[in-house]
Amino acid sequence: QLQLQESGPGLVKPSETLSLTCTVSGGSISSSSHYWGWIRQPPGKGLEWIGNIYYSGTTYYNPSLKSRVTISVDTSKNQFSLKLSSVTAADTAVYYCARRIATTAVPEFDYWGQGTLVAVSS
Amino acid sequence: SSELTQDPAVSVALGQTVRITCQGDSLRRYYASWYQQKAGQAPVFVIDGKNNRPSGIPDRFSGSSSGNTASLTITGAQAEDEADYYCSSRASSDNHVVFGGGTKLTVL
Repeated sequence: QLQLQESGPGLVKPSETLSLTCTVSGGSISSSSHYWGWIRQPPGKGLEWIGNIYYSGTTYYNPSLKSRVTISVDTSKNQFSLKLSSVTAADTAVYYCARRIATTAVPEFDYWGQGTLVAVSS
Repeated sequence: SSELTQDPAVSVALGQTVRITCQGDSLRRYYASWYQQKAGQAPVFVIDGKNNRPSGIPDRFSGSSSGNTASLTITGAQAEDEADYYCSSRASSDNHVVFGGGTKLTVL
């Protein structure tokens, strides 16, 4: 059974960089049939797609966050990571990592991590 | 436009049928996928982009599309179906992803 687990600091100071890692177990991140993505959810609000990465390193980012986001992949560790720079209180959210099926035109996130709350505060 | 619009809240009597809709220009070209999110939990994939149910999802859940509207129908809603539901699709012609704002389903 595929599992995804987010890890990283739960508190980040304003203007600093948020860094999270997603560890994939029970399957290979080098699958040619899947993307790996980050989605966030501010408290009490809806889901917002941050971006996806393919095992080759090809990335797709939400245009509204693109200037601040970097997603990378480490196939040797079966992990992918998120960096979000210059954070503000508006970046406070539960951050989810998820697997997206790459062989469909419509985005389909079939496995999700449990999510990790990141608060931005001094 | 790449936005997806959902009604903020819908209610249904136990055992009755409810339709949750998602509207957007991109839905004229692409279907939507659907996710169920119960309080304090991660989203769960319930309908794929071909309006099929992933393995393990009860058959009371179904998806459909017409024009610029995608719909999730629950036939015979159960108490455990009370949750937030999100649609998702592709943003126009690129490989970006958009989510609807979510619909809170209350089962009375």
